[in-house]
Amino acid sequence: DADVTQTPRNRITKTGKRIMLECSQTKGHDRMYWYRQDPGLGLQLIYYSFDVKDINKGEISDGYSVSRQAQAKFSLSLESAIPNQTALYFCATSVHPQFSGANVLTFGAGSRLTVL
Amino acid sequence: DAKTTQPNSMESNEEEPVHLPCNHSTISGTDYIHWYRQLPSQGPEYVIHGLTSNVNNRMASLAIAEDRKSSTLILHRATLRDAAVYYCIPNSGNTPLVFGKGTRLSVIA
Repeated sequence: DADVTQTPRNRITKTGKRIMLECSQTKGHDRMYWYRQDPGLGLQLIYYSFDVKDINKGEISDGYSVSRQAQAKFSLSLESAIPNQTALYFCATSVHPQFSGANVLTFGAGSRLTVL
Repeated sequence: DAKTTQPNSMESNEEEPVHLPCNHSTISGTDYIHWYRQLPSQGPEYVIHGLTSNVNNRMASLAIAEDRKSSTLILHRATLRDAAVYYCIPNSGNTPLVFGKGTRLSVIA
């Protein structure tokens, strides 16, 4: 099994629908992140959580919300999906640098979302 | 976060060494220099990181300028599987990693 698992891997939905992307990890990392990637572009940070009680907005949080249900689970929701949210979404985890020496992320395989 | 400048694209012949440059002139003293790469249709993967000294691992080497305002990722023998987008990211660990546009490396057989 993958260290960082994203579900679903692919989803097609319609404008206005509520969508949840889920991420779970078995690495025991305290930090989790959601990034978005548009075709041919780099990654943009949506939300991040440095521990279970910590939630922070990233570069492009408008239209998104998150929930950190447990240390191992971090969900991303689109309350009312719109076509320009069509993108590839990545979840990532990391451990506090105190233990690793630097900010080393482990990424999931990605969730491809298409909003019609 | 420190701003970075990387070439948009580079090309290399297979089996040849590749030097991928990155300028980060506004880097702070506590920032590590991280390199990640993203293979086609995959999530990014960690390559290497360093603070001041040059670093080597099984994937690559990282050469850091003495003033830390630039660094170079070195792939000693490029293979077709090294074709990817390479990201250089200074980060202290107190904030999330911010990915720029990176350098798209093409490897020619």
